[in-house]
Amino acid sequence: GQQLNQSPQSMFIQEGEDVSMNCTSSSIFNTWLWYKQDPGEGPVLLIALYKAGELTSNGRLTAQFGITRKDSFLNISASIPSDVGIYFCAGHQGSNYKLTFGKGTLLTVNP
Amino acid sequence: GAVVSQHPSWVICKSGTSVKIECRSLDFQATTMFWYRQFPKQSLMLMATSNEGSKATYEQGVEKDKFLINHASLTLSTLTVTSAHPEDSSFYICSAQTSGRAYEQYFGPGTRLTVT
Repeated sequence: GQQLNQSPQSMFIQEGEDVSMNCTSSSIFNTWLWYKQDPGEGPVLLIALYKAGELTSNGRLTAQFGITRKDSFLNISASIPSDVGIYFCAGHQGSNYKLTFGKGTLLTVNP
Repeated sequence: GAVVSQHPSWVICKSGTSVKIECRSLDFQATTMFWYRQFPKQSLMLMATSNEGSKATYEQGVEKDKFLINHASLTLSTLTVTSAHPEDSSFYICSAQTSGRAYEQYFGPGTRLTVT
């Protein structure tokens, strides 16, 4: 099936720093979603993007739907310890409702 | 809004027994629910898609007779792991979609299954 290339795999940052992660694909996606998963929990939807070029914010989080529809990025500004977790991108294409997930970015924030 | 619950949150069972996991959408009606399996430090692997009142659609390689899915109402889907074996031990997560924002999936908190 279609793969989403998510990078980086992991990040170690200091509290207060900004973070950026992205997902790319060789084919077009119609919708991009960003999720965060804490250990032992289900993923939580952070941001949903529906239009090419769309830039959406949710608090300190900002995500963009790439203009080519083949990529998306997520930025976190002024990171705090509770930002720790695994961030997944997910994309939708085609006529069914299934999502394709990236492999995740593990974020560690040092206080 | 868009809260999904799962029960139980963890379960230990003996090899050969069956285990049922419930997934409920608490504050919305879910036209479609999904069941995923997640191994440690890996991404989510879709097992099946279920629509209320119809048979589930299983992904390639997922045994439908082993992982029985029932979506009896717009707020409840169940996954039954039949004749469980240790290799079925995993983290099982369900998600639900509303008809309004069709491509947004809201996830339950997951169920940790350990088969001894």
